[in-house]
Amino acid sequence: SQTIHQWPATLVQPVGSPLSLECTVEGTSNPNLYWYRQAAGRGLQLLFYSVGIGQISSEVPQNLSASRPQDRQFILSSKKLLLSDSGFYLCAWRGRYRGRTEQFFGPGTRLTVL
Amino acid sequence: GQQVMQIPQYQHVQEGEDFTTYCNSSTTLSNIQWYKQRPGGHPVFLIQLVKSGEVKKQKRLTFQFGEAKKNSSLHITATQTTDVGTYFCAGRLGGTSYGKLTFGQGTILTVHP
Repeated sequence: SQTIHQWPATLVQPVGSPLSLECTVEGTSNPNLYWYRQAAGRGLQLLFYSVGIGQISSEVPQNLSASRPQDRQFILSSKKLLLSDSGFYLCAWRGRYRGRTEQFFGPGTRLTVL
Repeated sequence: GQQVMQIPQYQHVQEGEDFTTYCNSSTTLSNIQWYKQRPGGHPVFLIQLVKSGEVKKQKRLTFQFGEAKKNSSLHITATQTTDVGTYFCAGRLGGTSYGKLTFGQGTILTVHP
């Protein structure tokens, strides 16, 4: 079965510090991968998506970047965090399950920038 | 760009009352999906609607997709405390969209026992 991992689960970082969040998927190959951010009490904003190794598309201009160094690894980074980068970061992959196509979300990383 | 609006933002109900959340898109959708996010958790897929006018039921949950494939609704009959959470609709455009979904802002449901 497929599994998606994210770490760390929670993170508190000072403004101006770098960031690296990692997402890995098991049990599938060449998945479409997505990074979302969810501000407190708000909806999901798509930040990046990737259809393959080294292929990254950015949905919104921001202080963050993404990379996909391996087929099942998706990394979200920042060189200098801003207060507005705080939020719940969710990685997702798109796959088929019982005849339907859906996005499967990881457990998320709660980032607080102080 | 594509926008998906979801209302209401919040809904407080007494256990046993019904609940409905509505979703509207500015463009025609290839399909619409619904997700539920429990407090502190991550979104979990509930259902996908593809056909114009489609209606699907999961126990006490009824999902509808509009005839023009621009709107959808989720109705919960006789809410229970286990229904608490945020319900999101997510629309997908047709064509080469790489499976991208545009999520509504979500409806936060609180159920009072």
